[in-house]
Amino acid sequence: NAGVTQTPKFQVLKTGQSMTLQCAQDMNHEYMSWYRQDPGMGLRLIHYSVGAGITDQGEVPNGYNVSRSTTEDFPLRLLSAAPSQTSVYFCASSSNRAYEQYFGPGTRLTVT
Amino acid sequence: AQKITQTQPGMFVQEKEAVTLDCTYDTSDPSYGLFWYKQPSSGEMIFLIYQGSYDQQNATEGRYSLNFQKARKSANLVISASQLGDSAMYFCAMREGISGSARQLTFGSGTQLTVLP
Repeated sequence: NAGVTQTPKFQVLKTGQSMTLQCAQDMNHEYMSWYRQDPGMGLRLIHYSVGAGITDQGEVPNGYNVSRSTTEDFPLRLLSAAPSQTSVYFCASSSNRAYEQYFGPGTRLTVT
Repeated sequence: AQKITQTQPGMFVQEKEAVTLDCTYDTSDPSYGLFWYKQPSSGEMIFLIYQGSYDQQNATEGRYSLNFQKARKSANLVISASQLGDSAMYFCAMREGISGSARQLTFGSGTQLTVLP
């Protein structure tokens, strides 16, 4: 039972590079979301999706893109990486029948 | 205004004693819920407990209980009989509303709990 998986676990990028953080869940959850966690702070919502084909912005969406073509996958794209995007990124999913959210293990991203 | 406030950056507790981690919240939505998550040094986010705004009784899950005081807008986490493995960062979070987006979570800044042997 994999739950929520994220790849890669660690990534180092140079300023201006682009990349995609992968997130997948095998629980058939309708709701998926991306958060970032900066030192000394709680998690902040970047983007979320209430179902395949539907996405919306969270608190800190600038510099990130998402799409949801399947129920299982919710990739996060960094268009042109900046040092301010150095953070730990968490993906989460939730069923429409309960409010509990299941988090993936996180991706630690460093932009130099 | 901060939606979730955790005023204790760090707390210490002796093993086997109880500890209360504070959380206050701010919302005008009548439908909301409060969560507590544990983040050990390994980094994963572990769900502990959930309290809905319409729930009549305080939530409990094993050694964890949520002291929900609606009028004071507080949702404190109580850990009974602390164990060394409870040492971690603890986050309070809130969701608001009843639509599909009601699963958006707003997090506090966390409390670092250290359990002393």
